[in-house]
Amino acid sequence: QQPVQSPQAVILREGEDAVINCSSSKALYSVHWYRQKHGEAPVFLMILLKGGEQKGHEKISASFNEKKQQSSLYLTASQLSYSGTYFCGTPGTDSWGKLQFGAGTQVVVTP
Amino acid sequence: DAGVIQSPRHEVTEMGQEVTLRCKPISGHNSLFWYRQTMMRGLELLIYFNNNVPIDDSGMPEDRFSAKMPNASFSTLKIQPSEPRDSAVYFCASRTGTSLSYNEQFFGPGTRLTVL
Repeated sequence: QQPVQSPQAVILREGEDAVINCSSSKALYSVHWYRQKHGEAPVFLMILLKGGEQKGHEKISASFNEKKQQSSLYLTASQLSYSGTYFCGTPGTDSWGKLQFGAGTQVVVTP
Repeated sequence: DAGVIQSPRHEVTEMGQEVTLRCKPISGHNSLFWYRQTMMRGLELLIYFNNNVPIDDSGMPEDRFSAKMPNASFSTLKIQPSEPRDSAVYFCASRTGTSLSYNEQFFGPGTRLTVL
C-alpha cells in the first residue's frame, strides 16, 4: 500500500524551514527519500532504517519513528536548490526489494 | 560512470503502433526497475529484474506491456499496441544488491512517451 505524504505542497522563502511527513498503514523497516527537480529524474537523498537512526544530506535531515510508522523530512534554512518534489518510498508488502512511492510533496523555495 | 542510459528521450507515436523503450543500467548493478510517472498516478513500479530475472511484474498494467532483460547491460519495455492513456514518462532505474535489498536506486533521464 502506498505511503501517505503531507503536505501536498509547500511554498517557502529562502532561509525558512519546512517539514514533510510520510506515514504508512503497515509496519516499516526502512523509509527512503528521493527528490525530483522539474523535468529531471528522481535522485536519492537518504535511507532511514529501523531504530530511529537519523541521516542527513546537506541541510536536509530526516527521522524515522517505526512505532508511529512514519518518517519526517526536515528542510532547514532552505535554499533555492531545494525546490522540487520530494517522494518517500517504503518497502512493498507483497514482494521484497521494491519500493512503493508516495504521491510526492512539491516544494517551492522563493528568493 | 555514464549513469543509467535510456533511449529514446522522447517518443511520439500514433495509437496502435508498437513502442520500444530501451535502458542500459549502470555497469555492475544487478537490479533494474521500470517505472511510469503520470500526474494522476504518480510514480508507479511496472516491473523489476534481479540478475536479469523478472522478480515482480505485478505493476505491468496489461498484456500490451512486456519487458525483457536479455543480459546484464540491456533491458527493453515494449507496448503493443500503444494507446493514448499510455502517455507518460517512463523511467528506468538500477541498483546493486540482491532481490531483497533496498539500496539506493539510480534513475535514468526518462523517456517521455506521447501516444496520439
